[in-house]
Amino acid sequence: AQKITQTQPGMFVQEKEAVTLDCTYDTSDPSYGLFWYKQPSSGEMIFLIYQGSYDQQNATEGRYSLNFQKARKSANLVISASQLGDSAMYFCAMRDAITGANSKLTFGKGITLSVRP
Amino acid sequence: KAGVTQTPRYLIKTRGQQVTLSCSPISGHRSVSWYQQTPGQGLQFLFEYFSETQRNKGNFPGRFSGRQFSNSRSEMNVSTLELGDSALYLCASSLAVKGASDTQYFGPGTRLTVL
Repeated sequence: AQKITQTQPGMFVQEKEAVTLDCTYDTSDPSYGLFWYKQPSSGEMIFLIYQGSYDQQNATEGRYSLNFQKARKSANLVISASQLGDSAMYFCAMRDAITGANSKLTFGKGITLSVRP
Repeated sequence: KAGVTQTPRYLIKTRGQQVTLSCSPISGHRSVSWYQQTPGQGLQFLFEYFSETQRNKGNFPGRFSGRQFSNSRSEMNVSTLELGDSALYLCASSLAVKGASDTQYFGPGTRLTVL
């Protein structure tokens, strides 16, 4: 069974600094995808970045990058140059590629990030 | 391109009533998934529809049901509401490409309160 673990308590970062949000996962499928979503207080889940298990390089999307360490089963999100608008809940999620189950995302419990001015 | 839309955004019901939530996916997206989010249980998968067929189902009682129309729009229904059904219900759509990379895009959610 898939499992996502996000254990950091609420995180605080100073505006313009970088922050790393931790995510570890567990799956028995060699082919899987890892996703990060941002959820502001409004409730909408916003897709940030994707990393495939066979991708050779770490994914990057603007100020977001993913520190993917496959052997350690970790997929940490790095946000560079934090902005006040980055204050939100951040969820790590995964999907494996097993036929018939490839639509379901398994989510972690999320991490609250607060950016200080 | 318009994002995923959900209606209504807020809903207040009483125990025993039923409720129908609606979701319109991003144009061209054929898969629609529903999730329930509560402070205690986090995000839990309800079900997924593709080509008007339920393709995947989470561990929820039969009071939770859904359907998908030929234009990919989806509805979910909860009958005999219980207090514990109070939650944010999120709909997500995707292109339904094969494999693990299929990205789900979420709507703003419907916040259901059961009194």
